[in-house]
Amino acid sequence: DGGITQSPKYLFRKEGQNVTLSCEQNLNHDAMYWYRQDPGQGLRLIYYSQIVNDFQKGDIAEGYSVSREKKESFPLTVTSAQKNPTAFYLCASTPRRLADLSSTGELFFGEGSRLTVL
Amino acid sequence: QQQVKQSPQSLIVQKGGISIINCAYENTAFDYFPWYQQFPGKGPALLIAIRPDVSEKKEGRFTISFNKSAKQFSLHIMDSQPGDSATYFCAASTSWIKAAGNKLTFGGGTRVLVKP
Repeated sequence: DGGITQSPKYLFRKEGQNVTLSCEQNLNHDAMYWYRQDPGQGLRLIYYSQIVNDFQKGDIAEGYSVSREKKESFPLTVTSAQKNPTAFYLCASTPRRLADLSSTGELFFGEGSRLTVL
Repeated sequence: QQQVKQSPQSLIVQKGGISIINCAYENTAFDYFPWYQQFPGKGPALLIAIRPDVSEKKEGRFTISFNKSAKQFSLHIMDSQPGDSATYFCAASTSWIKAAGNKLTFGGGTRVLVKP
């Protein structure tokens, strides 16, 4: 089955530690995204990547880092510089090729990773 | 800065009733307005979407109404069912065909509870 796999589902971190959240997709999508979800604030974009070896900051990139070495993978590292990292993190993907006019532009989300800082 | 404002934050409706969620946006360049449905512990999934060349779109019990001049759009859930209990997010973006990736700006979400 095609989809997006995020791991781990739950993660606990001590203050001062970096943690990396995994996101893998087998949908052959070009673009991938990381969103952070907090109660009452909707989903806020952290980073996104349109192609391998290229990524851009979203609205709340401070304290986060990403890499895109393979089309299928877009890991997110939450660094110790992120002041309030406890949140639900969602990875998403979408095809982005300009010729793909049949696409609805739909974002496909993984099931999320819940990070708690102790 | 929240470019898409969603209300209410939560609502409770009886089974069979109508759930109405409203969103307002500021960026006139937005031309794609999807709604996503999220069940607890899951990622959001696309429910229905509209572009500003139409004022209304209906899919089953779900209807989007769009008012371009007022820069508002809303989701109506007719004959609400307990299985509709979820969090609903409105969103907006510029045309994904032109934009650098489908960068959606999301509203704050509405938690809907349908009582049996």
